[in-house]
Amino acid sequence: EVQLVQSGGGLVQPGGSLRLSCETSGFTLSTYAMNWVRQAPGKGLEWVAAISSSGISTYYADSVKGRFTISRDNSRNTLFLQMSSLRAGDTAVYYCARIAAADNYYFDYWGQGILVTVSS
Amino acid sequence: DIQMTQSPSSLSASIGDRVTITCRASQSISTFLNWYQHKAGRAPKLLIYTASSLQSGVSSRFSGSGSGTDFTLTISYLQPEDSATYYCQQSYTTPITFGPGSKVDIK
Repeated sequence: EVQLVQSGGGLVQPGGSLRLSCETSGFTLSTYAMNWVRQAPGKGLEWVAAISSSGISTYYADSVKGRFTISRDNSRNTLFLQMSSLRAGDTAVYYCARIAAADNYYFDYWGQGILVTVSS
Repeated sequence: DIQMTQSPSSLSASIGDRVTITCRASQSISTFLNWYQHKAGRAPKLLIYTASSLQSGVSSRFSGSGSGTDFTLTISYLQPEDSATYYCQQSYTTPITFGPGSKVDIK
């Protein structure tokens, strides 16, 4: 059974940093690209970042470029999102999701979501 | 960036109704269009990929069509468990973009 279990969310002050983790099981992580999607309170889904199966290629939304870093440790079956210089506008539920196909970025399995609150 | 729009933004329908949601891309995306169902407090669920392919395990009451810039998601014979917000998403190019969502309520 494919599972994505997230951790690392919480309350952080503006300007602070936080690292989200997404531990995967039930499939070989090294053969799939992965990504992060978020949903701010009362808003729709927003794509945040993606990373290729090898980790060589990364892609970011303009809203987080230069502040967030997506990475992966295939040996530990884990995906990460390092968030820095956090702003109130980054407050959201963050989801990790598996990208189903290498040449078509749609998301077939999702983590449970984890809340990140940026507030003083 | 490719902008995605959806209509309607919300609708209310009765059990057994046929519901259609439309999604439009700001430029042609071929069939790189996917649909998700999202219920509050839960992870989004993939329904349809590449415009018309039904994800494994998803009810056949859901169907998708379209290509280029105009797409539709149809729910035939609406059921209580279909109450949710539905999002389209283009996977033609990065940045990946979602539509604003269409909320479906049951009368």
